[in-house]
Amino acid sequence: AQSVTQLGSHVSVSEGALVLLRCNYSSSVPPYLFWYVQYPNQGLQLLLKYTSAATLVKGINGFEAEFKKSETSFHLTKPSAHMSDAAEYFCALTNTGFQKLVFGTGTRLLVSP
Amino acid sequence: EPEVTQTPSHQVTQMGQEVILRCVPISNHLYFYWYRQILGQKVEFLVSFYNNEISEKSEIFDDQFSVERPDGSNFTLKIRSTKLEDSAMYFCASSEAGLGGDTIYFGEGSWLTVV
Repeated sequence: AQSVTQLGSHVSVSEGALVLLRCNYSSSVPPYLFWYVQYPNQGLQLLLKYTSAATLVKGINGFEAEFKKSETSFHLTKPSAHMSDAAEYFCALTNTGFQKLVFGTGTRLLVSP
Repeated sequence: EPEVTQTPSHQVTQMGQEVILRCVPISNHLYFYWYRQILGQKVEFLVSFYNNEISEKSEIFDDQFSVERPDGSNFTLKIRSTKLEDSAMYFCASSEAGLGGDTIYFGEGSWLTVV
C-alpha cells in the first residue's frame, strides 16, 4: 500500500529563516512525489514534483525538495521564509501503476515577522 | 495560465437533498478527478474519469455519488441524497494524460455544507 507521512501538523518559522517541511513515503514501487500548497480559501497549487529525472527538484517561489530513496523521504525546503509563504503544504505520491494522488495530512506553515 | 474552474464555490444544502457540483477542466486534458477534504483531514481521492467512463473509484465513492461529462467542457459530481458527513471541500482536478508522473491540476474547490 502507498502512504505519505508528514511530520508536524504545524511548523513555525521567523521571516528570513530556513523552512523545512518533512515528508516520508511508503511505496512498493518507485514513486512519483509532489508538493502542493494551499493558500487560505484557495485550491491546491503544485509547487514541485519528482519524476526520477533528478533527485533535487526546484519548484516555484524558491522552494526545492530532495528525493532520498535510502531514507524514503522528500523533504521540502526554502532558504529564507517570506510572510507570503504562510499556507498549508501537502506532500503526495503516485506511481506508474495508478494516477490517483495519495496525500499526507498536511503541514501548516506559520511565518512570524 | 489554463486553470480548472469550479462552481459553486460554496453551497449549503439540507440533508437528503441532491447536490451537483460543476467543474470545467483544462481544455486539452483527458483525465478528470474528484477529491474531497473533510475539515481537518487529508485530501482523499474519490474518482477518476477517462473516455466517458469511471477508470477508478475509492471506497468512499458509493452509490450515492455519480459523475458525468454532459458536454465537451463540463464535468460534474452528483451526490444523490446528502448526509451530514458529506460536508467537505470538493476539489475537481484534471491531467493531460493518465501517467503516474503527470501533474494533476486542481480547481479552487467547492465547499459543501450539509445541515
